[in-house]
Amino acid sequence: SQQGEEDPQALSIQEGENATMNCSYKTSINNLQWYRQNSGRGLVHLILIRSNEREKHSGRLRVTLDTSKKSSSLLITASRAADTASYFCATLYSGGGADGLTFGKGTHLIIQP
Amino acid sequence: DAGVIQSPRHEVTEMGQEVTLRCKPISGHDYLFWYRQTMMRGLELLIYFNNNVPIDDSGMPEDRFSAKMPNASFSTLKIQPSEPRDSAVYFCASSQGDGYTFGSGTRLTVV
Repeated sequence: SQQGEEDPQALSIQEGENATMNCSYKTSINNLQWYRQNSGRGLVHLILIRSNEREKHSGRLRVTLDTSKKSSSLLITASRAADTASYFCATLYSGGGADGLTFGKGTHLIIQP
Repeated sequence: DAGVIQSPRHEVTEMGQEVTLRCKPISGHDYLFWYRQTMMRGLELLIYFNNNVPIDDSGMPEDRFSAKMPNASFSTLKIQPSEPRDSAVYFCASSQGDGYTFGSGTRLTVV
């Protein structure tokens, strides 16, 4: 079953606004990662946050992690048309013996010019 | 580095035919993953290798699917015989342990 679930499934905002996407997961994790996928392309790794971290920044991206609520959020500030894509959270669970990421179904983000 | 290279980009085949998808990971990455993406099921992990050894193939849907990694620079995913429900985009990804680098995928259509 899917480990992460993104919310909302789709988001449309104006260029320049901030976009926030949320991810919830079910079991204890080692780390949580966010990926971007442009239409017809492969996924691109954006940022990784470990279970002992609470917040991380990378350029216009800010990721938070709340392990007590089993949730994460991705904030994209000052959005641009080029940010239009699907965004996926992926979790590496800490059960041991499995190194494969489990992906959610994604949030489709549309930035209106 | 050219990234993870997958071939072919598109494959259209008839039901019952054998399909072979190919992947060249990034040099030095010791993990290789095969994922399948569909609208209904999202991204599913099929199998992954560590240092060319298959570690977990529990995601392989049926015996019709098989994967090999004969060396550190090459992997194949084979479907024999193919069925229309196998239609999907198949991604290969490689990693040194944290973030994954994905290939551009192979869009498989089985008619």
